[in-house]
Amino acid sequence: QKEVEQDPGPLSVPEGAIVSLNCTYSNSAFQYFMWYRQYSRKGPELLMYTYSSGNKEDGRFTAQVDKSSKYISLFIRDSQPSDSATYLCAMSRVGGGSEKLVFGKGTKLTVNP
Amino acid sequence: KAGVTQTPRYLIKTRGQQVTLSCSPISGHRSVSWYQQTPGQGLQFLFEYFSETQRNKGNFPGRFSGRQFSNSRSEMNVSTLELGDSALYLCASSHSWGTSTDTQYFGPGTRLTVL
Repeated sequence: QKEVEQDPGPLSVPEGAIVSLNCTYSNSAFQYFMWYRQYSRKGPELLMYTYSSGNKEDGRFTAQVDKSSKYISLFIRDSQPSDSATYLCAMSRVGGGSEKLVFGKGTKLTVNP
Repeated sequence: KAGVTQTPRYLIKTRGQQVTLSCSPISGHRSVSWYQQTPGQGLQFLFEYFSETQRNKGNFPGRFSGRQFSNSRSEMNVSTLELGDSALYLCASSHSWGTSTDTQYFGPGTRLTVL
């Protein structure tokens, strides 16, 4: 079993829809959880960052972490065509270790006008 | 402030050759990490450098190596290229190392194709 699992999609939604992106993980040592957005031909950029369990909101984006279920989510409200990208979840142990970040494989999202 | 830059952006090599990729971090950042991204395996950590020293290494063969210079610029080298080395190689910089909360900023990557 991989440490981080993420449905690769692709996911196609109409403009204005609420998008839900998810990752599951197996290593209970993960404490830091991140979502990155990667546009075509670009490097990933950090969208959201959370520590431990709970919710965090930033504009149209909400990140949720449920450590008891080892499940994290990213919600995008009022999705826009400019949100079309690949979304990668990532997580890290305290102190880092030999792997600074462990990434999911990414979910490709297309928002249609 | 300029972002992370990587050169070259695209590279085509043949099996058995070697290749050197370059990364210039954001000004003031002293940590540089390298990742390999493929459709099958996703993003995988290669190694991290801080103050010219390799601090962490991922699970890759010894054909993959790197170094960091005193100006924090970094290079990675892949020797005896294999078809499976075809990937997007991403460099990320951050202020420090070993700190899980330190944001990493990624460059656009170098697309390596091995024929």
